[in-house]
Amino acid sequence: EILLTQSPGTLSLSPGERATLSCRASQSVSSNYLAWSQQKPGQAPRLLIYGASTRATGIPDRFSGSGSGTDFTLTISRLEPEDFAVYYCHHYGTSPPYTFGQGTKLEIK
Amino acid sequence: QVQLVESGGSVVQPGRSLRLSCAASGFTFGGFGMHWVRQAPGKGLEWVGHVSYDGTKSYYADSVNGRFSISRDNSKSLLYLEMSSLRAEDTAVYSCARFNGAYESLDWWGQGTLVTVSS
Repeated sequence: EILLTQSPGTLSLSPGERATLSCRASQSVSSNYLAWSQQKPGQAPRLLIYGASTRATGIPDRFSGSGSGTDFTLTISRLEPEDFAVYYCHHYGTSPPYTFGQGTKLEIK
Repeated sequence: QVQLVESGGSVVQPGRSLRLSCAASGFTFGGFGMHWVRQAPGKGLEWVGHVSYDGTKSYYADSVNGRFSISRDNSKSLLYLEMSSLRAEDTAVYSCARFNGAYESLDWWGQGTLVTVSS
């Protein structure tokens, strides 16, 4: 069973700063199946990155994803006020078919 | 524009059953696998299960296997989640989500419907 562990649990930064969020898999996974989503309070999640590094339609280029094997990173180059939210990495696999990390809350410092 | 709208959530007693629906629009529903995801109050996302594009295959999280069942009606663009033997720990917002095979990822979620299991 693949487990995804995100760190840190909470990240406190100011607008304009760079954010680096980590997602570690319990075993090596294909980059093709690793994605990142953003969720704001009371809203549905929104897909940001798929295939570990490809931005979904309409996602600003300040969001970027990288990594391979067991270690993946979501980077937000310059934080905008609307970027403060909870971020989840997720993985499409076989057993179980789908897994979410526990989330990283990005809050305003 | 893709839209997924869930309905059917309510307060239900432990041990009882409930059926949720998800109405899809803005895309060819029968061309996509569909998932259910839940979020307990103040908690993260938990995958519940999914059904293939044609409804012939379904898979479930261990926590709901044998109690929950997912089905779909492609002629009506509707997805269902039948929940039985409900427990307090099933209390959550339940959302349907579209799986995009080109992305190998869930790419659209609905806002969800709240299920509260309480006596």
